[in-house]
Amino acid sequence: DIQMTQSPSSLSASVGDRVTITCRASQGISNYLAWYQQKPGKVPKLLIYSASTLQSGVPSRFSGSGSGTDFTLTISSLQPEDVATYYCQNYDSAPRTFGQGTKVEIK
Amino acid sequence: QVQLVQSGAEVKEPGASVRVSCKASGYTFTDYFIHWVRQAPGQGLEWMGWINPKSGGTKYAQNFQGRVTMTRVTSINTAYMEMSRLTSDDTAVYYCARGSAVSGGKNPSDYWGQGTLVTVSS
Repeated sequence: DIQMTQSPSSLSASVGDRVTITCRASQGISNYLAWYQQKPGKVPKLLIYSASTLQSGVPSRFSGSGSGTDFTLTISSLQPEDVATYYCQNYDSAPRTFGQGTKVEIK
Repeated sequence: QVQLVQSGAEVKEPGASVRVSCKASGYTFTDYFIHWVRQAPGQGLEWMGWINPKSGGTKYAQNFQGRVTMTRVTSINTAYMEMSRLTSDDTAVYYCARGSAVSGGKNPSDYWGQGTLVTVSS
């Protein structure tokens, strides 16, 4: 099974900061990588798919990059409403494993 | 608009079984896989498996093999996830989510149900 490893597990940044979260797959998954945002008590929301394609309605301050085994989610200017836990997911093959999550807070 | 509406919260005793439903609307139910994902309190997301609503074929994560059964009733656009031999470790929110098109291609889960809390307690 493919393992997904995210880092860091949590971070605290100021409003306006650039934030970067990384996700590494244990084997190549081409660009079949999705990022989800989950706010406290809410349902996960698809942010990015195909490693770098923004889902409709997602603010342009979010971006994704990478291919193969190494991927990145970037928030170009952190906003208070971005406080959430972010998960990457392999959807190249089953099991569609998730990373362990990165909790983003405001400093 | 696409919607996945799940059944309500459940409280079960250890050793019992639970069945969670997921009713789809706003698209052709048999055209997309349905995935099940769970989240224990304060923990991350755990993928459980999928069902192909057209064929009824299933794929389960190794952790759930032998204990989870995913089914569907196409006439009412509803998928089900049944889990047996429950323990306190199964206390979690269970989500259904729409996945790839049955006709081919690979897609992430773009629409999710609201979640169903299953509490296992004596």
